[in-house]
Amino acid sequence: LAKTTQPISMDSYEGQEVNITCSHNNIATNDYITWYQQFPSQGPRFIIQGYKTKVTNEVASLFIPADRKSSTLSLPRVSLSDTAVYYCLVTTVLDYGGATNKLIFGTGTLLAVQP
Amino acid sequence: DAGVIQSPRHEVTEMGQEVTLRCKPISGHNSLFWYRQTMMRGLELLIYFNNNVPIDDSGMPEDRFSAKMPNASFSTLKIQPSEPRDSAVYFCASSKGPSVLTDTQYFGPGTRLTVL
Repeated sequence: LAKTTQPISMDSYEGQEVNITCSHNNIATNDYITWYQQFPSQGPRFIIQGYKTKVTNEVASLFIPADRKSSTLSLPRVSLSDTAVYYCLVTTVLDYGGATNKLIFGTGTLLAVQP
Repeated sequence: DAGVIQSPRHEVTEMGQEVTLRCKPISGHNSLFWYRQTMMRGLELLIYFNNNVPIDDSGMPEDRFSAKMPNASFSTLKIQPSEPRDSAVYFCASSKGPSVLTDTQYFGPGTRLTVL
């Protein structure tokens, strides 16, 4: 099962682009990479998901190199409200029917955005 | 849309007591997940259901923990007897489709459990 590793914390300033990298050396062929955001006293919230190359939505981009051993969440022009913990999630399929899966959350990265 | 509803939001109990946490998933969602979050271990998946059937409970820490989903709109996580090391925030999440792999999970606000 793919284990993920993220930096414990990162600091940034408002208006900057922030890139958070997640390492998943043992990722399997059918695994997907998903990022969640969590504010204090709230449950995690989905940000973005990808399999390979680049995925972009209205809030973030996800870059996945060809070997897929890592992924980078990119947050453009962060604001104070982006201060949160960001989790990298690798979803491992154990059977192709999708009935049995393992969800492995990373340790999370605390992003602190300062004015 | 009310989102995932969990109750109670806070629970304080004494060691040895039975604790029952409740979850109402988003209407129309077919999968339900129970997680536990602590500072030491982070966010851990305990068990998940698909169409009310438990699919994977390998994350349940021990026999003191049990989960049920009697219908599509209700699930419980029970700890009996509770121990101080069970103190954590317990999250319930639901997703629309059957694919744990690709379907977005929507989390509830969590239940903060303190066992004295």
